[in-house]
Amino acid sequence: QKEVEQNSGPLSVPEGAIASLNCTYSDRVSQSFFWYRQYSGKSPELIMSIYSNGDKEDGRFTAQLNKASQYVSLLIRDSQPSDSATYLCALRMDSSYKLIFGSGTRLLVRP
Amino acid sequence: DVKVTQSSRYLVKRTGEKVFLECVQDMDHENMFWYRQDPGLGLRLIYFSYDVKMKEKGDIPEGYSVSREKKERFSLILESASTNQTSMYLCASSFTVGHSNTEAFFGQGTRLTVV
Repeated sequence: QKEVEQNSGPLSVPEGAIASLNCTYSDRVSQSFFWYRQYSGKSPELIMSIYSNGDKEDGRFTAQLNKASQYVSLLIRDSQPSDSATYLCALRMDSSYKLIFGSGTRLLVRP
Repeated sequence: DVKVTQSSRYLVKRTGEKVFLECVQDMDHENMFWYRQDPGLGLRLIYFSYDVKMKEKGDIPEGYSVSREKKERFSLILESASTNQTSMYLCASSFTVGHSNTEAFFGQGTRLTVV
């Protein structure tokens, strides 16, 4: 089993809808979680980080973490065509320098 | 803003050549990383460094080496380039706060083609 699992998609949603992106992980000692957005041909850029159980909101983005169930999700409200990209989930285990990435979910927001 | 700069956006090299990919960050970050990204395989860690002259192997170090002589600069070396090293190479950096490490910031990437 991969350490970080994401559905590759594409996830297609209409403009204005809520996009829900999910990520599961296998290691219970994972402590830090990150969502990156990557446009085609570009490098990943950080959207959100979350470290404790619950929700964290930043503008149209909400990250949700449930350590007991070992999943982290990203909700994008009022989706825009400019949100169309691949979203990468990443985690860092406690006291580790390494970021471990999922293979990403491609999101397509239809105008 | 954090700036991570990779020396080349696109590179074409011949099989057997020695290839240097350079990365510089301007935020005094302790940690630097080299990843490669391939379709369907995601981001895979090649090497990382948590201090000057320190290096650790990542998940796929074979065929690569690294150098970190100064804090701001981390170089990836392909000792003898092969076609299966054709990929997008991404450099990243992060800093350490106490016992925790922050999120990583990425450079713009180098698309390397080995012919």
